[in-house]
Amino acid sequence: GQQLNQSPQSMFIQEGEDVSMNCTSSSIFNTWLWYKQDPGEGPVLLIALYKAGELTSNGRLTAQFGITRKDSFLNISASIPSDVGIYFCAGQLIGNQFYFGTGTSLTVIP
Amino acid sequence: GAVVSQHPSRVICKSGTSVKIECRSLDFQATTMFWYRQFPKKSLMLMATSNEGSKATYEQGVEKDKFLINHASLTLSTLTVTSAHPEDSSFYICSAKNRGPNQPQHFGDGTRLSIL
Repeated sequence: GQQLNQSPQSMFIQEGEDVSMNCTSSSIFNTWLWYKQDPGEGPVLLIALYKAGELTSNGRLTAQFGITRKDSFLNISASIPSDVGIYFCAGQLIGNQFYFGTGTSLTVIP
Repeated sequence: GAVVSQHPSRVICKSGTSVKIECRSLDFQATTMFWYRQFPKKSLMLMATSNEGSKATYEQGVEKDKFLINHASLTLSTLTVTSAHPEDSSFYICSAKNRGPNQPQHFGDGTRLSIL
């Protein structure tokens, strides 16, 4: 399957700091999605991006669909303890399949 | 909206048993459902894409005779792990996508499968 490179792999930050993570791929995607997964649960959709260059916000979260359609980033502003978890990007190819990034583990220190 | 229910949440069974996992879209019609496998501290690995009324498309390296997928209706897909062995122990997650363009996939809560 496709491989999406997600970085950083893990982050340890102080509460109130901003967070930035990104995904890159050698393939062109039609859709980029960002999910958060808590232990033992399924991923929960945070933001969906459908057009190259699109910048979308959801509360303190902001994500962008790269112009080349091969990358995307997610920013979290003013982090809080409940932001802790693993964040995944996912890209959708023309053939309908979705592929996931390698994940970013976020730890917020109160 | 866009709720996906996955059942059971946890299964523990003996080696050689076949296990069926159900994935239901509760408030929308899912023309496409996806099955993923996730190992501890790892990303989700796409196993197969299931379209309603047709055969599933399996990813390279996934045995279709081992992991039987059925998508008989617009709200239900099943994954059957046949003759399960300890190496099949994993976290299996399904997702569903509504019909039409620009629709994200929504995930179930996963099934923790443990084969003794």
